[in-house]
Formats: sequence, C-alpha cells, structure tokens
Amino acid sequence: GENVEQHPSTLSVQEGDSAVIKCTYSDSASNYFPWYKQELGKGPQLIIDIRSNVGEKKDQRIAVTLNKTAKHFSLHITETQPEDSAVYFCAVSPFIQGAQKLVFGQGTRLTINP
Amino acid sequence: DTEVTQTPKHLVMGMTNKKSLKCEQHMGHRAMYWYKQKAKKPPELMFVYSYEKLSINESVPSRFSPECPNSSLLNLHLHALQPEDSALYLCASSQSQGPSYEQYFGPGTRLTVT
Repeated sequence: GENVEQHPSTLSVQEGDSAVIKCTYSDSASNYFPWYKQELGKGPQLIIDIRSNVGEKKDQRIAVTLNKTAKHFSLHITETQPEDSAVYFCAVSPFIQGAQKLVFGQGTRLTINP
Repeated sequence: DTEVTQTPKHLVMGMTNKKSLKCEQHMGHRAMYWYKQKAKKPPELMFVYSYEKLSINESVPSRFSPECPNSSLLNLHLHALQPEDSALYLCASSQSQGPSYEQYFGPGTRLTVT
C-alpha cells in the first residue's frame, strides 16, 4: 500500500522567515496531494492541495510543489506569522477503484518564534 | 461554507456503556468518513460511506458500528469499548468518493473510555 514519509517532525522558525515541509510517497499512481493544518483541540483544516497534472500551486503565503518523477511534494510558507504555529500533515490519495483513501504523513509541528 | 459539525465535543464513557457520536454536513457531499486520531499521530481511516452505503471498513472492531441515516448525517455507535479506544474521533466529508475530491473535517469528539 501507499507509504508517506514527512520531514521534519518539528520545525522552529523566526517570525517572518520561510518554512518548508517535505513529503515523499511510494505509489506512482497517486494523483491528489492535500495539506492539512491542525491547531490544538481542533480538526484538520485543508489549507492547500495539488493534483498530479500541476507542478506548483500558490495561495497567498502558502505554496505547494509536486515532483511526480521523484515522488515528492513540499509545502512552503513565506512570511510566517505566530498564527501559523500548528501541526501540518501532508496526505496522499492513492488510486483505488471507486474509493478515496487519504494516507497521511506523520505530521510536522511548526513553531513560529516572535 | 465547508462546515462539518460533530457532537458531542467531549465524551466520557465506561467500558459497559453504549453511546453514539454524531456528524452532520449540509454541503451536499455524498461521501462521509470516520477517522480515529491518537495523540501526536495522524488521522487513521476507519469507515467510508458513499451515497449512504458503507464502502470501506478498515478492519475496525465490531464494538464500533457506523450508520448513515441519510446523505447529511453520519453516526458512530460505540459499545463495550476499551481504554485504548480513547482518542479524537473525526468525521469528514467530500463531494464524492473519487480519488481527488477535497475532504473537509469536523472538529472531532474527544472520547475517554474509563
């Protein structure tokens, strides 16, 4: 089955700096790659996603890049703010006939230092 | 609006109790999901309903019993749980069950089994 590795497990950056989180996956047939942000005591919030026919997608300070050949994708957060502090999960949706399963990475705890 | 609601927010139950978790969405989504999340871990898929029919059961013990009364509601019936079942239970929904539809999560129910 699909296997997703996420790095780093913890990341601490100064406010205003950039943060990058990377994920690799194993199933070359996977074609959907969402990123979720989870704050303490809350459910995961979809923040950005990318599909396999696109190499990069941006939404204000957040961007995701996808390299299908290398089977890895990354989340980039620029001009970080204290409210960006949270746990971030990447996920992969492997192709399963008639079904959708999300396989999550282990998460990255991002801390923004003021 | 991408809101999924879950009740109750917190639940404490004994190992002999029977309780139910409820999930609701009004986005017209036809796929709904139950996930279990242990502390400092990613969500793990339990069940998937597509068009009100159970399509995926990830080998979940029978003490967890899902139900989808209609396209907007999803229940998880709990009976004879064990302390190790204590976790955050998350509901999610997506437009359909294809491999690249966005999944939106609710805030979760924090379950403690005593």
